Amino acid sequence: GESVGLHLPTLSVQEGDNSIINCAYSNSASDYFIWYKQESGKGPQFIIDIRSNMDKRQGQRVTVLLNKTVKHLSLQIAATQPGDSAVYFCAENKGWTSGSRLTFGEGTQLTVNP
Amino acid sequence: SAVISQKPSRDICQRGTSLTIQCQVDSQVTMMFWYRQQPGQSLTLIATANQGSEATYESGFVIDKFPISRPNLTFSTLTVSNMSPEDSSIYLCSGGHATNEKLFFGSGTQLSVL
Repeated sequence: GESVGLHLPTLSVQEGDNSIINCAYSNSASDYFIWYKQESGKGPQFIIDIRSNMDKRQGQRVTVLLNKTVKHLSLQIAATQPGDSAVYFCAENKGWTSGSRLTFGEGTQLTVNP
Repeated sequence: SAVISQKPSRDICQRGTSLTIQCQVDSQVTMMFWYRQQPGQSLTLIATANQGSEATYESGFVIDKFPISRPNLTFSTLTVSNMSPEDSSIYLCSGGHATNEKLFFGSGTQLSVL
């Protein structure tokens, strides 16, 4: 079935390095994508979003890239800090007809080593 | 943004009993959803909570097991009925202001069934 998946379940980086978390999606009708961060014991926290009419969007220390040709989404975190350690989920919205129902990927555990 | 509060934050329940989880949003939201997150896994959508009408359930979830109420635009409840150990999970409430926009999440209710 259609799903949103991730290339790597875990990622370990050194503090100060840049992190790249990847996500693949299979539904070409999807028009809205979100990255969430989930720390232990907490609910998912919105990081950044991007619509399908864009290729790139930047926030504070984070950038999301969307490649619709290969149905690939990535989250780049600049100068990764220990506080960035968490599980990161990409989520896919299949359009307004889906009523904002989000499908979540499997998640990537990011560990930042001091 | 929207701040979503859930209670209880955690509970330990006996097999065969039921638990009602409450979700309160600090502003009116158009969309409200209930998700389940099993340990170490991603989020799975249970249902869309519709104001003033029956919830819309995803495949694999039924109203008899997970009755949902949504009396207004800021409040919803999810009941986990006739619980078994397989229902042990984190249950998350989410809300959004518009179709095809970001969702905000509560901190979740960690349920353990003995």
